[in-house]
Amino acid sequence: DSGVTQTPKHLITATGQRVTLRCSPRSGDLSVYWYQQSLDQGLQFLIQYYNGEERAKGNILERFSAQQFPDLHSELNLSSLELGDSALYFCASSPTGTGNNEQFFGPGTRLTVL
Amino acid sequence: GQNIDQPTEMTATEGAIVQINCTYQTSGFNGLFWYQQHAGEAPTFLSYNVLDGLEEKGRFSSFLSRSKGYSYLLLKELQMKDSASYLCAVMENGNKLVFGAGTILRVKS
Repeated sequence: DSGVTQTPKHLITATGQRVTLRCSPRSGDLSVYWYQQSLDQGLQFLIQYYNGEERAKGNILERFSAQQFPDLHSELNLSSLELGDSALYFCASSPTGTGNNEQFFGPGTRLTVL
Repeated sequence: GQNIDQPTEMTATEGAIVQINCTYQTSGFNGLFWYQQHAGEAPTFLSYNVLDGLEEKGRFSSFLSRSKGYSYLLLKELQMKDSASYLCAVMENGNKLVFGAGTILRVKS
């Protein structure tokens, strides 16, 4: 158990819908990262927040957005869902967010878009 | 651009040694990570290298050559539970962690 929690564990929804994935980092970690893992793409970095501020951005679609709240939990919002958005979404956290920090991954949310 | 290459699959025998190679071309370099991921589970950290050389941690060792853009993960005394996907990842400038596609290791008895 990494100490990172994610809810829900599974989510099944329809195309065109909007969902929110939630992540609570390990106690004391200030940085949160979001990743998408699909069968044909591998693990793709989406976005990083550090202490409430966006720190780095990866291959995140405009239909997706994220935020980190004052209590450091984070939410990833996915809208206008498409079949191709079906994937495992991982959240990770680290103490600071600089290069040599190990990232601790949560168990993931499996999103299925029908 | 960014490119991280690893073999797609490898098979090794229980008790043996296996080396998983990773080559990379990325925008900036702030270190290289190896993660283990069992199917359907979260990746778990194995090692971090930022300077050239070998880092040893129990049955696992990782090597880095920055001038060659090359790393390897060495697993000794293989156990059946080591069957998993092994992900090589490079931390680029701006804290962006770029992952390779992963190497599926199958350990047979």
